[in-house]
Amino acid sequence: DTEVTQTPKHLVMGMTNKKSLKCEQHMGHRAMYWYKQKAKKPPELMFVYSYEKLSINESVPSRFSPECPNSSLLNLHLHALQPEDSALYLCASSQLMGMGRRLSGNTIYFGEGSWLTVV
Amino acid sequence: EDQVTQSPEALRLQEGESSSLNCSYTVSGLRGLFWYRQDPGKGPEFLFTLYSAGEEKEKERLKATLTKKESFLHITAPKPEDSATYLCAVRLADRGSTLGRLYFGRGTQLTVWP
Repeated sequence: DTEVTQTPKHLVMGMTNKKSLKCEQHMGHRAMYWYKQKAKKPPELMFVYSYEKLSINESVPSRFSPECPNSSLLNLHLHALQPEDSALYLCASSQLMGMGRRLSGNTIYFGEGSWLTVV
Repeated sequence: EDQVTQSPEALRLQEGESSSLNCSYTVSGLRGLFWYRQDPGKGPEFLFTLYSAGEEKEKERLKATLTKKESFLHITAPKPEDSATYLCAVRLADRGSTLGRLYFGRGTQLTVWP
């Protein structure tokens, strides 16, 4: 069963708030991802964790702070966001293939997403 | 310039009217082509992974095929519940890690009416 669980499903926050998005998977995947998706646009990669270590940061502003407490959990901490950060935030996971610089992900499975509105 | 192009942008079909969606990519070194289905307000649902030209995969009314430069998602006798946005994504061979770097097309919004 392929399942990535995200909470909360909806979040409304002010520009001075601090909140977190949470993600969990129990498929034994060692790569976890955060994507951002705006309306009518494809998902955009934000962060990648492989073996619980941050592997890729796609030049995301520091007001987004990822955390991977263990191989099953992924958090995205939010602070001082802007209204333009309102979007669907998608967590995903995949198995890993290869080693070192040739590390690659297999099929990526997405969660249902967390709708974030910044007011 | 888009590296992954999906067409058409939108497609309206009557129930039972078969058709195909297209995904073409303009770069070489494919390490996987992925089809997803996305319902409004939800995350993409994985459908198929294709790795090499000539490969085909089927699931219920859907069949995905791959050539050297494009993929087709064939929908046979669609039903209203097949209405969704269908996303195509490719993973390319970089010199380094390709971890997580999927190049998505903009999607085809499919509407099937009774």
